[in-house]
Amino acid sequence: GENVEQHPSTLSVQEGDSAVIKCTYSDSASNYFPWYKQELGKRPQLIIDIRSNVGEKKDQRIAVTLNKTAKHFSLHITETQPEDSAVYFCAASRGGGSNYKLTFGKGTLLTVNP
Amino acid sequence: EPEVTQTPSHQVTQMGQEVILRCVPISNHLYFYWYRQILGQKVEFLVSFYNNEISEKSEIFDDQFSVERPDGSNFTLKIRSTKLEDSAMYFCASRTGTGMYEQYFGPGTRLTVT
Repeated sequence: GENVEQHPSTLSVQEGDSAVIKCTYSDSASNYFPWYKQELGKRPQLIIDIRSNVGEKKDQRIAVTLNKTAKHFSLHITETQPEDSAVYFCAASRGGGSNYKLTFGKGTLLTVNP
Repeated sequence: EPEVTQTPSHQVTQMGQEVILRCVPISNHLYFYWYRQILGQKVEFLVSFYNNEISEKSEIFDDQFSVERPDGSNFTLKIRSTKLEDSAMYFCASRTGTGMYEQYFGPGTRLTVT
């Protein structure tokens, strides 16, 4: 089955700096890669996603890049703010049929220091 | 904006007891999922459900687990005889339909088995 590795496990940055979180996946048939933000005690919230037919996607201060050949994808947050502090999870999914189950990475605790 | 809801938010039960966790997916969604997250660990897939039947289940989803959509709105996860290791946060998620990949998560039910 799919295996998703995520690093770093913790990341501390100064407000205004950029943050990068990287994930690798094992199943070459995976074609959908979402990123979720989870604040303490709250639900995972979808913040951005990318499909395998696209190499990069951007939404304001966040962007995701995908390298299908290397089987890795990354989340980039620019101009970080204290409210960006949370655990970020990457996930991978093999689309098709009625499944689309998500396989998650272990998460990255991002701390943005004011 | 419509959201997935879950009840109860916290359930405490004794080992060996049955519990039912309830979810109300977003109304026009057709695909439903249960995931769990043991404290401090990653989110893990349990089961996917479409057209009133299980599409896929993980190794975790053994004979002690069952899912049901008893009416047009609720989606339930039953654990027949709880074990200590079932203590976790259980998330329900739903997805619109074919071609729409995004999964939206509920706020979770924290299950504590004593």
